[in-house]
Amino acid sequence: EADIYQTPRYLVIGTGKKITLECSQTMGHDKMYWYQQDPGMELHLIHYSYGVNSTEKGDLSSESTVSRIRTEHFPLTLESARPSHTSQYLCASRSGGYYNEQFFGPGTRLTVL
Amino acid sequence: KQEVTQIPAALSVPEGENLVLNCSFTDSAIYNLQWFRQDPGKGLTSLLLIQSSQREQTSGRLNASLDKSSGRSTLYIAASQPGDSATYLCAPNQAGTALIFGKGTTLSVSS
Repeated sequence: EADIYQTPRYLVIGTGKKITLECSQTMGHDKMYWYQQDPGMELHLIHYSYGVNSTEKGDLSSESTVSRIRTEHFPLTLESARPSHTSQYLCASRSGGYYNEQFFGPGTRLTVL
Repeated sequence: KQEVTQIPAALSVPEGENLVLNCSFTDSAIYNLQWFRQDPGKGLTSLLLIQSSQREQTSGRLNASLDKSSGRSTLYIAASQPGDSATYLCAPNQAGTALIFGKGTTLSVSS
């Protein structure tokens, strides 16, 4: 059973605030991902990491940043939130090679007023 | 660049029907393909992972097939139930990148 935790689950915040979305997994997976999903739309990859101290930008340009200091933890930060950042953010992880299954967390629904 | 198309975009059926969801992808150089279920406002739940060397994979009332050379996968749901109502997503997996998603098929099963 995959355990990926995301906090908070819901966040309503004002424009200009700095926010950090937390993602943790307990399976020791080396690969972790952040996706963004607008309502009714497909998931878009915004960041990924293949291990500690490794981070890359995904296909969709994002003003957010990520860090990977510990294997189990992959937080996403927005320095100055804007209404255009309103979306659902989904964290995922996978172990080892590309043949393995990818698991998702429950998501964080962010609303920026 | 891999593109994923899922047909139909939406489907409404009465309880008990067998149904097929279709997924096509443009680049057949994949390791495997995963099917997910997403309930409104929630994360994704993995349903089936089918490797490129496999033709079919089964889990309970779900059966996924994969024709890698033609870039197609189908998800067959037997004896549908209201609890199956959700959006179903397929995602092919290629080297050097993360899973690529289509817009999914939104299924509604009425009792």
